[in-house]
Amino acid sequence: LAKTTQPISMDSYEGQEVNITCSHNNIATNDYITWYQQFPSQGPRFIIQGYKTKVTNEVASLFIPADRKSSTLSLPRVSLSDTAVYYCLVGPISGSARQLTFGSGTQLTVLP
Amino acid sequence: SQTIHQWPATLVQPVGSPLSLECTVEGTSNPNLYWYRQAAGRGLQLLFYSVGIGQISSEVPQNLSASRPQDRQFILSSKKLLLSDSGFYLCAWSVRTGGTQETQYFGPGTRLLVL
Repeated sequence: LAKTTQPISMDSYEGQEVNITCSHNNIATNDYITWYQQFPSQGPRFIIQGYKTKVTNEVASLFIPADRKSSTLSLPRVSLSDTAVYYCLVGPISGSARQLTFGSGTQLTVLP
Repeated sequence: SQTIHQWPATLVQPVGSPLSLECTVEGTSNPNLYWYRQAAGRGLQLLFYSVGIGQISSEVPQNLSASRPQDRQFILSSKKLLLSDSGFYLCAWSVRTGGTQETQYFGPGTRLLVL
C-alpha cells in the first residue's frame, strides 16, 4: 500500500485559497489519489479523486504532477465552514476500498 | 438515493460488558461494507470489511467481531469490552466500479466510551 505524508495542520483566513500537499513517493501505476474531508464527530466525506494532471469539481481542484509522487488539494476562497481534517488516500484503481489507508490527515483551521 | 444509518449514536459501557453496533444501508444492493475505528485526534483504522452476506475479513486482530446477516446490514460486536475499545466507530459502504477507485460513503458514527 502506498504511504502518504501530509502536514499535520494548516491555518488560513477566510477568502484565501488553501493548498494542501500530500506526498506519495511509492505510488503504483494503477493507484488513484482520493481526498476526503471530515468534520468533528462525523464520518469522512469524499471530496475529489484523480489519476494525473488536474481534476476540478464544484468543491475543489486536485493537481497531480507528471511523476505522481505528490498531489495538491486546492480549496478556493475558504470559509469558516471549511475547517476540518483533510485526508489524502492512495489506492488501486479497481481494487476494493479496503486497500485504502487513512493517515492522520491535515487539520485545516480557517480563521476569520 | 442511498443512505447509511448507524445506531446508537453514543454509548457508554462498563469494561467487560458486551457490545453490539448496527449499521444499515438503504438504496443500494450488494454493497461492500466496512467498520472503522477512530481514536481521538487520530486517523481511521479499518477493522473489518465485507463483500457479501456472511463474508467478513478482519484487518486487525482484536476482541471485536463483525457479522453481515443481511445484504445491507453490518454488525460490530464484542463479548467483553476493554478500555482500549473506546473510540468513534464508523460504518461505510462502497460499490465496486469499473476502472475507478471505489468511493466510500460513511455513516454518522457511534461514539463509544468504555469505563
